[in-house]
Amino acid sequence: GQSLEQPSEVTAVEGAIVQINCTYQTSGFYGLSWYQQHDGGAPTFLSYNALDGLEETGRFSSFLSRSDSYGYLLLQELQMKDSASYFCAVRGAGKSTFGDGTTLTVKP
Amino acid sequence: NAGVTQTPKFRVLKTGQSMTLLCAQDMNHEYMYWYRQDPGMGLRLIHYSVGEGTTAKGEVPDGYNVSRLKKQNFLLGLESAAPSQTSVYFCASSYRHSISGANVLTFGAGSRLTVL
Repeated sequence: GQSLEQPSEVTAVEGAIVQINCTYQTSGFYGLSWYQQHDGGAPTFLSYNALDGLEETGRFSSFLSRSDSYGYLLLQELQMKDSASYFCAVRGAGKSTFGDGTTLTVKP
Repeated sequence: NAGVTQTPKFRVLKTGQSMTLLCAQDMNHEYMYWYRQDPGMGLRLIHYSVGEGTTAKGEVPDGYNVSRLKKQNFLLGLESAAPSQTSVYFCASSYRHSISGANVLTFGAGSRLTVL
């Protein structure tokens, strides 16, 4: 089976940097994805890591350590619109399994 | 392009009633998925399909059936609805991905189902 753990809530101020961690246990691991979801709307894809290291996409970066079964999403220069839920997801054969999500609240 | 379209967006059922949720995608994606999301929780995979005419069980398949008769459509059926099936249902689709490639899911807007 597959299981993922991520913090339930994170709070930060506008302009700051925040890191959302994700640890996973899985068989047949291909990669780790991150999705953003605003207020129960459709989740949208942010980033994907198949190999160890850092992937950067604008203000967002994602890191993976396969040996530690660990990854994180780094959000820089936080904006109010970044307040949302963030999900890590493990990609297996033909499907993705999601964590329970981290609710990020950005304060002025 | 519409992307992934789910119908209906809202539905209220009585216990024991049946219904079908329809998902349609216009991106020529091979893979399609049905997830459910309960308050404060993540997305749990119900069933998925890796191609027309094929389906497979996910994490929480009990009480649901699916069909993929056409590549662009993926139907989720509830034969006898129960209050425990009150949830928001999301359909998603993706391209067939390589071993190291990202499985980028495109989600529909969701269908909110309440079973009384």
